[in-house]
Amino acid sequence: DARVTQTPRHKVTEMGQEVTMRCQPILGHNTVFWYRQTMMQGLELLAYFRNRAPLDDSGMPKDRFSAEMPDATLATLKIQPSEPRDSAVYFCASGLVRDGRGSPLHFGNGTRLTVT
Amino acid sequence: DQQVKQNSPSLSVQEGRISILNCDYTNSMFDYFLWYKKYPAEGPTFLISISSIKDKNEDGRFTVFLNKSAKHLSLHIVPSQPGDSAVYFCAASRTMEYGNKLVFGAGTILRVKS
Repeated sequence: DARVTQTPRHKVTEMGQEVTMRCQPILGHNTVFWYRQTMMQGLELLAYFRNRAPLDDSGMPKDRFSAEMPDATLATLKIQPSEPRDSAVYFCASGLVRDGRGSPLHFGNGTRLTVT
Repeated sequence: DQQVKQNSPSLSVQEGRISILNCDYTNSMFDYFLWYKKYPAEGPTFLISISSIKDKNEDGRFTVFLNKSAKHLSLHIVPSQPGDSAVYFCAASRTMEYGNKLVFGAGTILRVKS
């Protein structure tokens, strides 16, 4: 059963440190998303890639967050410098868009980030 | 601006009874709607979906109803089972413009009591 893999599962860091979260999408999927889950906002979209090209990162604080897809098997989300308000669970999801139709997204199990 | 709203943070239901989870949306351009279920320490998993050209979709114990004029959808689970206890997220997309990019609601915690 194909899965989206996220590492690390948990990360505790101090304010000001750089944090890198990694995601391996399902092989063959051509869309990758980063979502953040907070208590108040539910699942917020941070970034969206299709065929490795960034299509939407309007949900990301641009001054400290960056998202990339170095290749089709790896997506990264970086926070530099991290702040306590970044504490949340970060989910990566992948899916397939073909002929104008999209498949439901498959989610990884998330990275729980705590910034002290 | 929350385009997808789940106004009930939680719902408690007796085992065997019907669970009804509600969702409202504001963007009339949404054409595809989904429900995801999430257990603690896991990612959301796809449950059921419905296209805007339909008003009902059924899959086993799960049925999703869509009322486009009211911009409202609901998920019915019958009969409810203790294993259904989870957070349920409603999501919507504009597939023609954005493919499978989803906008999520804040979630509803369902507790099924045995």
